[in-house]
Amino acid sequence: QVQLVQSGAEVKEPGASVKVSCKASGYTFTGDGYFIFWVRQAPGQGLEWMGWISARTGGTNYAQKFQGRVTITRDTTITTAYMELTRLTSDDTALYYCAKYAASPTFQFDKWGQGTLVTVSS
Amino acid sequence: QTVVTQEPSFSVSPGGTVTLTCGLNSGSVSIDSYPSWHQQTPGQPPRTLIYNTNTRSSGVPDRFSGSILGNKAALTITGAQADDECDYYCLLYMGSGNWVFGGGTKLTVL
Repeated sequence: QVQLVQSGAEVKEPGASVKVSCKASGYTFTGDGYFIFWVRQAPGQGLEWMGWISARTGGTNYAQKFQGRVTITRDTTITTAYMELTRLTSDDTALYYCAKYAASPTFQFDKWGQGTLVTVSS
Repeated sequence: QTVVTQEPSFSVSPGGTVTLTCGLNSGSVSIDSYPSWHQQTPGQPPRTLIYNTNTRSSGVPDRFSGSILGNKAALTITGAQADDECDYYCLLYMGSGNWVFGGGTKLTVL
């Protein structure tokens, strides 16, 4: 079955960077039209889309809010996607989720990771 | 800036029917927005209920249905149960590879 397993919780100081991983299994990672989305949720707040990566091509797109601070990459040899966020502030304290998305023809979200808590504190 | 709007909260009686909506502060939601609905209980990751407007995810009961109602996406829950009490988020495609979540609806079943 499809699984997305994320890396463990992180504590970072303001100004630092964090890199969260998302290990995919149970499907063909680089199959046609498969993407990994990254979404975050600050404490007590709603979900916020950050960006995505095409697992096959490596193409990316980022929410304007995070442009210049976020980089999403993937390593196809270990079927893992990564989200790196730089210049962290306390506002970046949140749960970070990855999710699998299949584009045309299904436009399907079918699995979410368990979430990674990133705490930014001095 | 495009904002995706959802009712902040909604209440339904057990066994009742409720329709949550997902709109835009400017413009209309259509099937080309590929609306999806995601359910989240406290302390858990989201779970996708509906994708591509009206397709139920595997294992989702058929009392959850998605549609376009007027200029909004809609999630209808029929025969509401106590464990439907949680947060519901819609996600819309905005074009040019961009997606936006709504602010979420906190559903109370009482």
